[in-house]
Amino acid sequence: KAGVTQTPRYLIKTRGQQVTLSCSPISGHRSVSWYQQTPGQGLQFLFEYFSETQRNKGNFPGRFSGRQFSNSRSEMNVSTLELGDSALYLCASSIRGMNTEAFFGQGTRLTVV
Amino acid sequence: GESVGLHLPTLSVQEGDNSIINCAYSNSASDYFIWYKQESGKGPQFIIDIRSNMDKRQGQRVTVLLNKTVKHLSLQIAATQPGDSAVYFCAVFNDYKLSFGAGTTVTVRA
Repeated sequence: KAGVTQTPRYLIKTRGQQVTLSCSPISGHRSVSWYQQTPGQGLQFLFEYFSETQRNKGNFPGRFSGRQFSNSRSEMNVSTLELGDSALYLCASSIRGMNTEAFFGQGTRLTVV
Repeated sequence: GESVGLHLPTLSVQEGDNSIINCAYSNSASDYFIWYKQESGKGPQFIIDIRSNMDKRQGQRVTVLLNKTVKHLSLQIAATQPGDSAVYFCAVFNDYKLSFGAGTTVTVRA
C-alpha cells in the first residue's frame, strides 16, 4: 500500500513569507503528527491530529499552525518565516496515535533565505 | 515532560559484528518505546517497539531491551551489515507525542 506522502519535497522561501506543507497519511490511518528536524535540535514535536482534532501541540510559536481534514490529510502552515525555520518537516501517520506503529514520510525540506 | 538521551553520538562497527545502541529516558510513567532508523535523505523508518509490560522483544536481527528500573533502553543489531549504516533514534511516547533522542550514527566498516 502507498506510504505517507509529503508535498512538496523541497521548498525555498524568503523571510517574512508564509508556507503550507501537505501530508497524505496511509489509507485508514486517522492520526497525523508533525515533527521538525534540524541538526541542532534534532526531532521536535509540532502537533498531533486525530479525526480532525488537535490532541497535543509542541512548544513552537503561534506562527506554526496545522489542521486535519475529514479524509485525514493534514496541512501545516508557517507564517512570517524566519531563517531559523529552515528544517526538514516530517509527517507521520498511524492508526490511532504515535503509541501504535507509526510511519514517516520523506519530509519537506524548507529553506528560508 | 520527557527527556531522552543517547549514550554515544557515533558508533563504528566491523561488518558481521553485533552493534549495541543505548538510550536513557526520564519519565518513569512512559509506557511505549520505539527505535527508528534514518538514512540520508529519508524519513525515520520504524525498526521495533516495546511496551512497558515487556523487558525484551526480538525482530529480524534486532532486539530491544527495556530496563524500567534504571529507565534504560537498548537496541542490539546482530551481524551488522553495510545496509545498517544510518542514524538510529530511540523515541518515547507520552501525551500523544514522541520525544526523540539525539541519534546515534552507526558506521559499518567493511
